[in-house]
Amino acid sequence: DAGVIQSPRHEVTEMGQEVTLRCKPISGHDYLFWYRQTMMRGLELLIYFNNNVPIDDSGMPEDRFSAKMPNASFSTLKIQPSEPRDSAVYFCASSPDRGGEQYFGPGTRLTVT
Amino acid sequence: AQTVTQSQPEMSVQEAETVTLSCTYDTSENNYYLFWYKQPPSRQMILVIRQEAYKQQNATENRFSVNFQKAAKSFSLKISDSQLGDTAMYFCALGGGSQGNLIFGKGTKLSVKP
Repeated sequence: DAGVIQSPRHEVTEMGQEVTLRCKPISGHDYLFWYRQTMMRGLELLIYFNNNVPIDDSGMPEDRFSAKMPNASFSTLKIQPSEPRDSAVYFCASSPDRGGEQYFGPGTRLTVT
Repeated sequence: AQTVTQSQPEMSVQEAETVTLSCTYDTSENNYYLFWYKQPPSRQMILVIRQEAYKQQNATENRFSVNFQKAAKSFSLKISDSQLGDTAMYFCALGGGSQGNLIFGKGTKLSVKP
């Protein structure tokens, strides 16, 4: 298996622009997670899905952030409008079990200028 | 609430020596899992080792082993024969029970020195 795939790997955008991050989980994994990692705040869970349904979005910082999972093999995290404080590495992870080990993608490094 | 605490922000070890990273946790669940993840400078999060709470035997993966003390809610990671490639941030994580997500500690930055 190719593992969790994320695109793009790097994104540089200007404040106010829309940013869309993409994730393809490992086939057969029922759980998908979006994380954000910064030096200041560490690793933060933003949202997770089970069988394409959002289960917990309490970590989504504000209405500028939205996530969708239209099918079992694809998810997006959108930021609109983006702000410099959104600069971070965003990880997608998937898991076959509730509370089981998660397999992480390589991350997307987002820079908002 | 479930919590994970890593009390050592940074550690260093000489190449070929052994180092132990500490982790304590709190949960009211009976069935849960514990994990150690490694994040090298490449920033890829890599699963190092997994322990099921119902298993008394400590998990081992090559040079990596854990000391799981269920009553004390302690889950330390021992790295034997440390290698330069072990230089990374190490995260302890708790999962299972009624939650679908993992609870991560804040990490321990390990430097292996030649």
